Amino acid sequence: DADVTQTPRNRITKTGKRIMLECSQTKGHDRMYWYRQDPGLGLRLIYYSFDVKDINKGEISDGYSVSRQAQAKFSLSLESAIPNQTALYFCATSTTKDPRVSYNEQFFGPGTRLTVL
Amino acid sequence: GENVEQHPSTLSVQEGDSAVIKCTYSDSASNYFPWYKQELGKRPQLIIDIRSNVGEKKDQRIAVTLNKTAKHFSLHITETQPEDSAVYFCAASRGGSYIPTFGRGTSLIVHP
Repeated sequence: DADVTQTPRNRITKTGKRIMLECSQTKGHDRMYWYRQDPGLGLRLIYYSFDVKDINKGEISDGYSVSRQAQAKFSLSLESAIPNQTALYFCATSTTKDPRVSYNEQFFGPGTRLTVL
Repeated sequence: GENVEQHPSTLSVQEGDSAVIKCTYSDSASNYFPWYKQELGKRPQLIIDIRSNVGEKKDQRIAVTLNKTAKHFSLHITETQPEDSAVYFCAASRGGSYIPTFGRGTSLIVHP
Protein backbone atom coordinates (compact mmCIF):
# COMPACT_ATOMS: atom_id res chain seq x y z
CA ASP A 1 0.00 0.00 0.00
CA ALA A 2 1.11 3.54 -0.67
CA ASP A 3 2.41 5.02 2.55
CA VAL A 4 4.36 7.71 4.36
CA THR A 5 7.45 6.47 6.18
CA GLN A 6 9.83 8.15 8.59
CA THR A 7 13.36 7.27 9.71
CA PRO A 8 14.55 6.89 12.35
CA ARG A 9 11.55 6.01 14.52
CA ASN A 10 13.40 6.80 17.71
CA ARG A 11 16.53 8.83 18.30
CA ILE A 12 18.40 9.92 21.40
CA THR A 13 21.06 12.56 20.93
CA LYS A 14 23.04 15.13 22.86
CA THR A 15 22.83 18.89 22.97
CA GLY A 16 24.70 20.51 20.11
CA LYS A 17 24.56 17.54 17.74
CA ARG A 18 23.23 17.82 14.20
CA ILE A 19 20.27 15.58 13.52
CA MET A 20 18.39 14.74 10.33
CA LEU A 21 14.94 13.19 10.25
CA GLU A 22 13.84 11.72 6.96
CA CYS A 23 10.43 11.31 5.39
CA SER A 24 9.56 9.35 2.27
CA GLN A 25 6.21 8.76 0.61
CA THR A 26 4.96 6.44 -2.09
CA LYS A 27 1.57 8.13 -2.36
CA GLY A 28 2.59 10.35 -5.24
CA HIS A 29 1.44 13.40 -3.29
CA ASP A 30 2.80 16.83 -4.19
CA ARG A 31 2.62 18.46 -0.77
CA MET A 32 4.63 17.56 2.33
CA TYR A 33 4.74 18.89 5.88
CA TRP A 34 6.70 18.58 9.10
CA TYR A 35 4.89 18.87 12.44
CA ARG A 36 5.99 18.71 16.01
CA GLN A 37 3.75 17.21 18.71
CA ASP A 38 4.18 18.07 22.38
CA PRO A 39 1.78 16.96 25.12
CA GLY A 40 -1.02 19.49 25.51
CA LEU A 41 0.16 21.59 22.59
CA GLY A 42 -1.27 19.66 19.69
CA LEU A 43 0.37 19.57 16.27
CA ARG A 44 2.45 22.60 15.35
CA LEU A 45 3.70 23.20 11.83
CA ILE A 46 7.46 23.53 11.36
CA TYR A 47 7.86 23.67 7.55
CA TYR A 48 5.81 22.78 4.51
CA SER A 49 6.51 22.26 0.84
CA PHE A 50 4.01 22.51 -2.00
CA ASP A 51 6.50 21.10 -4.51
CA VAL A 52 10.25 20.55 -4.83
CA LYS A 53 10.98 24.22 -5.44
CA ASP A 54 8.42 25.65 -3.01
CA ILE A 55 9.38 25.48 0.69
CA ASN A 56 7.80 27.60 3.38
CA LYS A 57 8.24 28.24 7.08
CA GLY A 58 5.55 27.25 9.51
CA GLU A 59 4.77 28.72 12.89
CA ILE A 60 7.80 27.25 14.72
CA SER A 61 10.66 27.06 12.17
CA ASP A 62 13.41 28.57 14.34
CA GLY A 63 16.17 26.02 14.96
CA TYR A 64 15.06 23.81 12.07
CA SER A 65 15.80 23.56 8.37
CA VAL A 66 14.41 21.34 5.62
CA SER A 67 15.31 19.92 2.25
CA ARG A 68 12.94 18.60 -0.41
CA GLN A 69 15.26 16.31 -2.34
CA ALA A 70 12.57 14.95 -4.62
CA GLN A 71 8.79 14.92 -4.75
CA ALA A 72 8.82 11.85 -2.53
CA LYS A 73 11.42 12.95 0.05
CA PHE A 74 11.36 15.72 2.63
CA SER A 75 14.02 15.92 5.35
CA LEU A 76 14.05 17.91 8.56
CA SER A 77 17.35 18.98 10.15
CA LEU A 78 18.20 20.26 13.57
CA GLU A 79 21.54 22.00 13.08
CA SER A 80 22.39 22.12 16.78
CA ALA A 81 19.90 20.19 18.87
CA ILE A 82 18.74 21.54 22.22
CA PRO A 83 16.70 19.82 24.95
CA ASN A 84 13.49 21.76 24.23
CA GLN A 85 13.44 20.16 20.79
CA THR A 86 12.64 16.88 22.50
CA ALA A 87 9.28 15.93 20.94
CA LEU A 88 7.41 13.61 18.61
CA TYR A 89 7.88 14.67 14.99
CA PHE A 90 5.42 13.84 12.24
CA CYS A 91 5.75 14.12 8.51
CA ALA A 92 2.53 14.45 6.51
CA THR A 93 1.47 14.61 2.89
CA SER A 94 -1.49 15.88 0.93
CA THR A 95 -2.40 16.10 -2.71
CA THR A 96 -4.11 18.54 -5.02
CA LYS A 97 -3.93 16.13 -7.95
CA ASP A 98 -6.12 13.18 -7.06
CA PRO A 99 -9.85 13.84 -7.44
CA ARG A 100 -10.59 10.83 -5.23
CA VAL A 101 -8.94 12.48 -2.24
CA SER A 102 -9.90 15.70 -0.49
CA TYR A 103 -7.20 18.23 -1.25
CA ASN A 104 -7.20 19.22 2.38
CA GLU A 105 -6.80 15.76 3.92
CA GLN A 106 -3.39 15.10 5.42
CA PHE A 107 -1.77 11.67 5.63
CA PHE A 108 0.68 11.27 8.47
CA GLY A 109 3.78 9.14 8.83
CA PRO A 110 4.32 6.99 11.94
CA GLY A 111 6.35 9.64 13.75
CA THR A 112 9.90 10.00 15.05
CA ARG A 113 10.42 10.29 18.79
CA LEU A 114 13.44 12.53 19.37
CA THR A 115 15.09 12.99 22.75
CA VAL A 116 17.79 15.61 23.20
CA LEU A 117 19.84 15.19 26.36
CA GLY B 1 -3.50 33.93 11.40
CA GLU B 2 -6.02 31.30 12.37
CA ASN B 3 -6.43 30.33 16.01
CA VAL B 4 -8.27 27.14 16.99
CA GLU B 5 -9.36 26.53 20.57
CA GLN B 6 -10.41 23.00 21.58
CA HIS B 7 -12.25 21.88 24.72
CA PRO B 8 -12.14 19.92 26.89
CA SER B 9 -8.52 18.79 27.05
CA THR B 10 -9.60 15.54 28.72
CA LEU B 11 -12.96 13.78 28.58
CA SER B 12 -13.83 10.67 30.53
CA VAL B 13 -17.06 8.77 29.79
CA GLN B 14 -18.62 5.39 30.46
CA GLU B 15 -19.03 2.95 27.62
CA GLY B 16 -22.32 3.62 25.85
CA ASP B 17 -22.42 7.31 26.77
CA SER B 18 -22.12 10.12 24.23
CA ALA B 19 -19.07 12.36 23.96
CA VAL B 20 -18.89 15.89 22.59
CA ILE B 21 -15.72 17.81 21.77
CA LYS B 22 -15.96 21.48 20.85
CA CYS B 23 -13.71 23.77 18.82
CA THR B 24 -13.81 27.45 17.98
CA TYR B 25 -11.92 29.21 15.22
CA SER B 26 -11.04 32.83 14.59
CA ASP B 27 -10.70 33.22 10.80
CA SER B 28 -14.08 33.71 9.18
CA ALA B 29 -12.52 32.72 5.82
CA SER B 30 -11.83 29.17 7.04
CA ASN B 31 -14.02 26.72 5.18
CA TYR B 32 -12.69 23.23 5.86
CA PHE B 33 -12.86 21.56 9.28
CA PRO B 34 -11.35 18.08 9.69
CA TRP B 35 -11.17 15.88 12.76
CA TYR B 36 -8.26 13.51 13.34
CA LYS B 37 -8.05 10.58 15.74
CA GLN B 38 -4.73 9.52 17.22
CA GLU B 39 -4.66 6.23 19.07
CA LEU B 40 -1.89 5.68 21.60
CA GLY B 41 1.45 5.29 19.83
CA LYS B 42 -0.11 5.72 16.40
CA ARG B 43 -0.29 8.41 13.76
CA PRO B 44 -3.22 10.85 13.46
CA GLN B 45 -5.83 9.76 10.94
CA LEU B 46 -8.76 11.65 9.48
CA ILE B 47 -12.09 10.37 10.77
CA ILE B 48 -14.54 12.97 9.46
CA ASP B 49 -14.52 16.43 7.93
CA ILE B 50 -17.00 19.14 7.08
CA ARG B 51 -17.01 22.07 4.70
CA SER B 52 -18.56 25.44 5.36
CA ASN B 53 -21.44 24.91 2.97
CA VAL B 54 -22.76 22.09 5.18
CA GLY B 55 -24.15 22.35 8.72
CA GLU B 56 -23.90 18.73 9.77
CA LYS B 57 -22.32 15.50 8.60
CA LYS B 58 -22.72 11.98 9.98
CA ASP B 59 -20.80 8.75 9.59
CA GLN B 60 -22.23 5.92 11.66
CA ARG B 61 -21.61 6.81 15.33
CA ILE B 62 -19.76 10.05 14.68
CA ALA B 63 -21.10 13.38 13.54
CA VAL B 64 -19.75 16.87 13.14
CA THR B 65 -21.76 20.09 13.34
CA LEU B 66 -20.70 23.53 12.18
CA ASN B 67 -22.02 26.95 13.19
CA LYS B 68 -20.39 29.48 10.87
CA THR B 69 -21.99 32.47 12.53
CA ALA B 70 -20.59 31.56 15.92
CA LYS B 71 -17.39 30.13 14.39
CA HIS B 72 -17.55 26.87 16.23
CA PHE B 73 -17.79 23.22 15.30
CA SER B 74 -18.20 20.07 17.34
CA LEU B 75 -17.54 16.34 17.17
CA HIS B 76 -20.24 14.06 18.52
CA ILE B 77 -19.62 10.38 19.25
CA THR B 78 -22.62 8.29 20.27
CA GLU B 79 -22.65 4.89 21.98
CA THR B 80 -18.97 5.20 22.85
CA GLN B 81 -16.84 2.07 22.95
CA PRO B 82 -13.43 1.44 24.56
CA GLU B 83 -11.81 1.53 21.11
CA ASP B 84 -12.92 5.16 20.81
CA SER B 85 -10.32 5.99 23.47
CA ALA B 86 -7.76 8.24 21.75
CA VAL B 87 -6.67 11.83 21.31
CA TYR B 88 -8.90 13.78 18.95
CA PHE B 89 -7.70 16.89 17.10
CA CYS B 90 -9.87 19.43 15.34
CA ALA B 91 -8.45 21.71 12.68
CA ALA B 92 -9.49 24.60 10.46
CA SER B 93 -8.16 25.83 7.14
CA ARG B 94 -8.94 28.17 4.27
CA GLY B 95 -9.49 26.95 0.80
CA GLY B 96 -6.45 27.84 -1.25
CA SER B 97 -3.81 27.64 1.46
CA TYR B 98 -4.64 24.05 2.49
CA ILE B 99 -2.59 24.52 5.68
CA PRO B 100 -4.71 23.49 8.66
CA THR B 101 -4.33 24.99 12.10
CA PHE B 102 -4.84 22.31 14.74
CA GLY B 103 -6.44 22.51 18.16
CA ARG B 104 -4.49 21.22 21.13
CA GLY B 105 -6.30 17.93 21.27
CA THR B 106 -8.79 16.16 23.53
CA SER B 107 -7.89 12.94 25.28
CA LEU B 108 -11.06 10.81 25.30
CA ILE B 109 -11.13 7.92 27.75
CA VAL B 110 -13.98 5.44 27.50
CA HIS B 111 -14.33 3.25 30.58
CA PRO B 112 -15.74 -0.27 30.04
